[in-house]
Amino acid sequence: GNSVTQMEGPVTLSEEAFLTINCTYTATGYPSLFWYVQYPGEGLQLLLKATKADDKGSNKGFEATYRKETTSFHLEKGSVQVSDSAVYFCALSALTGANSKLTFGKGITLSVRP
Amino acid sequence: EPEVTQTPSHQVTQMGQEVILRCVPISNHLYFYWYRQILGQKVEFLVSFYNNEISEKSEIFDDQFSVERPDGSNFTLKIRSTKLEDSAMYFCASSPLAGAGDTQYFGPGTRLTVL
Repeated sequence: GNSVTQMEGPVTLSEEAFLTINCTYTATGYPSLFWYVQYPGEGLQLLLKATKADDKGSNKGFEATYRKETTSFHLEKGSVQVSDSAVYFCALSALTGANSKLTFGKGITLSVRP
Repeated sequence: EPEVTQTPSHQVTQMGQEVILRCVPISNHLYFYWYRQILGQKVEFLVSFYNNEISEKSEIFDDQFSVERPDGSNFTLKIRSTKLEDSAMYFCASSPLAGAGDTQYFGPGTRLTVL
């Protein structure tokens, strides 16, 4: 079946540091890949997505490239801010029957210090 | 910007009691989902719903669970007889379309605590 593996956390960085959060996946067919973010006290929000191999998703300075050869979708940001402190979830979606469902990684907590 | 809402934000119940978790999806969306996250574990798919029918359900979604769209706006998850292991954060999501690349929009979640 489909699965998503994220690097273990939590991650603590200083403001303006470079961020990489690793995500790898196992899937049959041609999944779409997503990063969702959960800020304290809020629901899951889509951060970015990529729907086919070599696509790059980007939003709010975050980027991730869909790498089919390494089955990865690592999240990067060049300079993190305190406001980026949140839980980050990697997920994949594959069409199954009438609709699709998301398969999530475990999530990783990012804390950014001023 | 339209958003998915969920009530209550926190529900505490005794084991064996019935609970109903409520969600109001985004108004023009057609596909609805429930997920849950047990503390410290992954977010897991429970069920998807379209055209007043369950489209797909996971192994977790046994006979104790049911979903309903009682009117044009609400989408509910009912647990008939709660167990301790049902304690989790429950997320509702909706999407306008159901392709693999289509975004699902999530609510803030309901934290269910079963005592």
